[in-house]
Amino acid sequence: DAGVTQSPTHLIKTRGQQVTLRCSPKSGHDTVSWYQQALGQGPQFIFQYYEEEERQRGNFPDRFSGHQFPNYSSELNVNALLLGDSALYLCASSPTPRAYNEQFFGPGTRLTVL
Amino acid sequence: QKEVEQDPGPLSVPEGAIVSLNCTYSNSAFQYFMWYRQYSRKGPELLMYTYSSGNKEDGRFTAQVDKSSKYISLFIRDSQPSDSATYLCAMSARATSGSRLTFGEGTQLTVNP
Repeated sequence: DAGVTQSPTHLIKTRGQQVTLRCSPKSGHDTVSWYQQALGQGPQFIFQYYEEEERQRGNFPDRFSGHQFPNYSSELNVNALLLGDSALYLCASSPTPRAYNEQFFGPGTRLTVL
Repeated sequence: QKEVEQDPGPLSVPEGAIVSLNCTYSNSAFQYFMWYRQYSRKGPELLMYTYSSGNKEDGRFTAQVDKSSKYISLFIRDSQPSDSATYLCAMSARATSGSRLTFGEGTQLTVNP
């Protein structure tokens, strides 16, 4: 079982650019959530995708958008990058239906905005 | 005020010590509580999941929840150098799969041989 995979591992962009991060969920999982983890902080919830739709969203601006594909993989897009967007971006997957909210995280994509 | 407060440490203990990690929270809607372990440059790994007040034990790890005090703890017995990592508490108001998790900022633990 490959677990949750994310690409790329690292990314360097400049302010104003756009970036796309990718996530493949754990086998058997169909729900994907994205989190942003700034250095020294806990992860912050960005949004959740299920059945190719955004189901929940955290307190992030519209510059952050996503997509889920029929094979359950997902993309996170960030437009007009700011220095403050530098962080580790984590993807988490979980199966449905489940009686509890168990989420499995990938290794993350480290984004640096210069 | 943050919804979840966690002492960031760092915490340094000798091998074999009992470690106590704690979080407090302010949102009464939180019903489900998790502890994650995160090694440097890795994603968080789920250690424990609880949904009721009381204790849950798994090997050397014990999770404790006190909903009346809005306080959760993770105890690590016979700590090992391999336990050196950042420990994150996380909470959820919903049981629905993939629902928002609210994390503490993490406690950095070092276990010295």
